[in-house]
Amino acid sequence: DAGVTQSPTHLIKTRGQHVTLRCSPISGHKSVSWYQQVLGQGPQFIFQYYEKEERGRGNFPDRFSARQFPNYSSELNVNALLLGDSALYLCASSHTSGSYNEQFFGPGTRLTVL
Amino acid sequence: GESVGLHLPTLSVQEGDNSIINCAYSNSASDYFIWYKQESGKGPQFIIDIRSNMDKRQGQRVTVLLNKTVKHLSLQIAATQPGDSAVYFCADSFYGKLTFGQGTILTVHP
Repeated sequence: DAGVTQSPTHLIKTRGQHVTLRCSPISGHKSVSWYQQVLGQGPQFIFQYYEKEERGRGNFPDRFSARQFPNYSSELNVNALLLGDSALYLCASSHTSGSYNEQFFGPGTRLTVL
Repeated sequence: GESVGLHLPTLSVQEGDNSIINCAYSNSASDYFIWYKQESGKGPQFIIDIRSNMDKRQGQRVTVLLNKTVKHLSLQIAATQPGDSAVYFCADSFYGKLTFGQGTILTVHP
């Protein structure tokens, strides 16, 4: 079975641009979460979606937005990119939302903002 | 999530030794805790989890200990192998939102 897939694997953008990152969860999983991992740090929670509804939002500015589609795939959008947005963006999927759900991570999208 | 520094703690062991990695969490309301292993260029990989109503759980070569009084987790790896070399993160879950602790770089020497 395929795991969580993310696209693209790498991306280079310049300040002020917009970026869209994509995630496909494991088949049967209805919840997708997004995390930002800056080099040398642990991942930080950005969003969680379940059944196409936002179930949680981390401490990130409104430049960050996301959505989940009927097939449970998800997109993360970041507007007006800053140098500090350079990071590995991770998507994780789980059966449902809530605590006792193992979250499976994808390989991430490496975003570099110049 | 917590703000962590750029310099992760490191643990260097010989192959065959036992390894212990420690982690502190801050949210006393968290009810589910997970250890992840992250290799270079990859996403975090689940190792073992524990619910807040337990204080110890064992897996294959790994054991997680939870001390809710002092908000502390530890991961014990028995007979550490070179393939165990990676960055290890603990995470606590509150309504499905994972908060990751400071990672530890484990290096296993043959």
